[in-house]
Amino acid sequence: QQQVKQSPQSLIVQKGGISIINCAYENTAFDYFPWYQQFPGKGPALLIAIRPDVSEKKEGRFTISFNKSAKQFSLHIMDSQPGDSATYFCAASIGGYQKVTFGIGTKLQVIP
Amino acid sequence: GAVVSQHPSRVICKSGTSVKIECRSLDFQATTMFWYRQFPKQSLMLMATSNEGSKATYEQGVEKDKFLINHASLTLSTLTVTSAHPEDSSFYICSARKRGSTTDTQYFGPGTRLTVL
Repeated sequence: QQQVKQSPQSLIVQKGGISIINCAYENTAFDYFPWYQQFPGKGPALLIAIRPDVSEKKEGRFTISFNKSAKQFSLHIMDSQPGDSATYFCAASIGGYQKVTFGIGTKLQVIP
Repeated sequence: GAVVSQHPSRVICKSGTSVKIECRSLDFQATTMFWYRQFPKQSLMLMATSNEGSKATYEQGVEKDKFLINHASLTLSTLTVTSAHPEDSSFYICSARKRGSTTDTQYFGPGTRLTVL
């Protein structure tokens, strides 16, 4: 049972463009939604995270949009750069001490 | 920052042997550590949650006698793959949550690539 659905699985964006990755969840008890960035052969690194009491969070070129009623959230990468090429995972968890459920991942390739 | 290290980064072993992977929080105390497994081009699958000083909680389908987890201190957790077989070949990643943290942030290690011949 996939509790966090992520799409697309792969994405090619031109340099300077906007990369958009979407996620949907089923469990309304989730109250923390992080995004992780993973480079090949490395562990995931926290990129940005949001809680359901806000609809948007922006950090630099990265923005999370959150739609609580639709149970959806998305990551927008503005002015995408080749260095952003990595696999991105959305995730969700309940409370401060619960396990994190990951989406399937999106492999992003930013071409010059 | 919060740094988590893993050792070794890569290990190749023969079928039937046991392999120990260490996960350390270098600059913070971690009451909870998590162990994940990741197959090529797939997502991270939680194997177990490890709390300092207590037995690990394993996810459904994960054999606790095969994947032994020890969390003996606030900065170290170990995963031992016993009697490893080729199907155990995978990328194993740990993460740690800061002691006293009021957020859900987990800090991930760089991963250990296990290859069983």
